[in-house]
Amino acid sequence: EIVLTQTPDTLSLSPGERATLSCRTSQSVSSSYLAWYQQKPGQAPRLLIYGASGRATGIPDRFSGSGSGTDFTLTINRLEPEDFGVYYCQQYDSAPITFGPGTKVEIK
Amino acid sequence: EVQLVESEGGLVQPGGSLRLSCAASGFTFSRYWMTWVRQAPGKGLEWLANINEDGRENSYADSVKGRFTISRDNAKNSLFLQMNSLRDEDTAAYFCARRNGRGHPFDSWGQGTLVTVSS
Repeated sequence: EIVLTQTPDTLSLSPGERATLSCRTSQSVSSSYLAWYQQKPGQAPRLLIYGASGRATGIPDRFSGSGSGTDFTLTINRLEPEDFGVYYCQQYDSAPITFGPGTKVEIK
Repeated sequence: EVQLVESEGGLVQPGGSLRLSCAASGFTFSRYWMTWVRQAPGKGLEWLANINEDGRENSYADSVKGRFTISRDNAKNSLFLQMNSLRDEDTAAYFCARRNGRGHPFDSWGQGTLVTVSS
């Protein structure tokens, strides 16, 4: 099983700042089968990034993903109030599909 | 508009059973893989099971293998999760989600339904 580790646990930032979230996998994720999801309280997760760097439909361009192998990053430029929530990375390269524990982005 | 709507969960005693359903609309259901994911209260996301387009291929997380069964009825645009031998640790919000196939992420999600296992 591929284990995902996310850092930091919590990120306290102000609107307009840049958020940098990290996801490390215990084994290399081939073909960048790495996704990022956003979840707000009481809501379902929403797909933001797939294939490590592809933006899902309707996702603003202030969200960007990068990385390969075992190290991946989600960057949110110019944080908007609606961007606060928990962000999960996911690998869908090999079974079982696994998620990271999440990074909470909160208002400073 | 893609819509996935899970059936109501509820309170179940340990050792009991429950069948969840997920009604799909707004897309050609029979062309997509489907999946179930759960989230224990205050915890992260856990993938549970996948099923391919025609229902002939499925896979499960070790935590539910042998107890949960994923199935689908393409004629009724519905996905199911039969949960048997429920345990306290199965208490969670259960989400159905759509996949465009093997090697694809979960691009649309239902709103989730809460299942509580308790005596």
